[in-house]
Amino acid sequence: QKEVEQDPGPLSVPEGAIVSLNCTYSNSAFQYFMWYRQYSRKGPELLMYTYSSGNKEDGRFTAQVDKSSKYISLFIRDSQPSDSATYLCARPFHLFTGANSKLTFGKGITLSVRP
Amino acid sequence: DTGVSQDPRHKITKRGQNVTFRCDPISEHNRLYWYRQTLGQGPEFLTYFQNEAQLEKSRLLSDRFSAERPKGSFSTLEIQRTEQGDSAMYLCASSTSSRDTQYFGPGTRLTVL
Repeated sequence: QKEVEQDPGPLSVPEGAIVSLNCTYSNSAFQYFMWYRQYSRKGPELLMYTYSSGNKEDGRFTAQVDKSSKYISLFIRDSQPSDSATYLCARPFHLFTGANSKLTFGKGITLSVRP
Repeated sequence: DTGVSQDPRHKITKRGQNVTFRCDPISEHNRLYWYRQTLGQGPEFLTYFQNEAQLEKSRLLSDRFSAERPKGSFSTLEIQRTEQGDSAMYLCASSTSSRDTQYFGPGTRLTVL
């Protein structure tokens, strides 16, 4: 079983919609998770990271970790066409390391926001 | 600072040929990573350098793959005797040991015919 599983896509929503992107993970020892955004023909860029359970908010983006269900979510409010990209969830490969270390990624989900 | 750069951006080669890619990390970033990404998949770790030392290699990195970072700055990834299965995007990333961010380059897209 892959360590980080991501909902398959693609996902298409109208502008202004609330988007929910989800991943599941299998090893409850890990507490540090990241969301990367990858535009077409570009490398991934770190969007948000979360540690342990709870929410983290940054503008229109909220990252959530539910340790009890081993669920990682990214919510995008008031989605914009510029949010159209592939979203990758990730975690450090090794315990007790962070976003500056070897990472393992989900497959990614491609989001399209229609004007 | 213009970020992580990779060269070339695209490479088309015939099966059996050797190819070499270059990555220039953000200056003063002591960590450098190579990942491979195929269509519909997330990046997969290949290898990692701390300064000039190659500290970890994935089992994905067969004997045909070799990576170097001779002076702890830029890095090269060479694939010998390319196979069609090597067709992918090869991503380079760099980071420091103090900040929790890994910066990715734009990638080199390899097509093996």
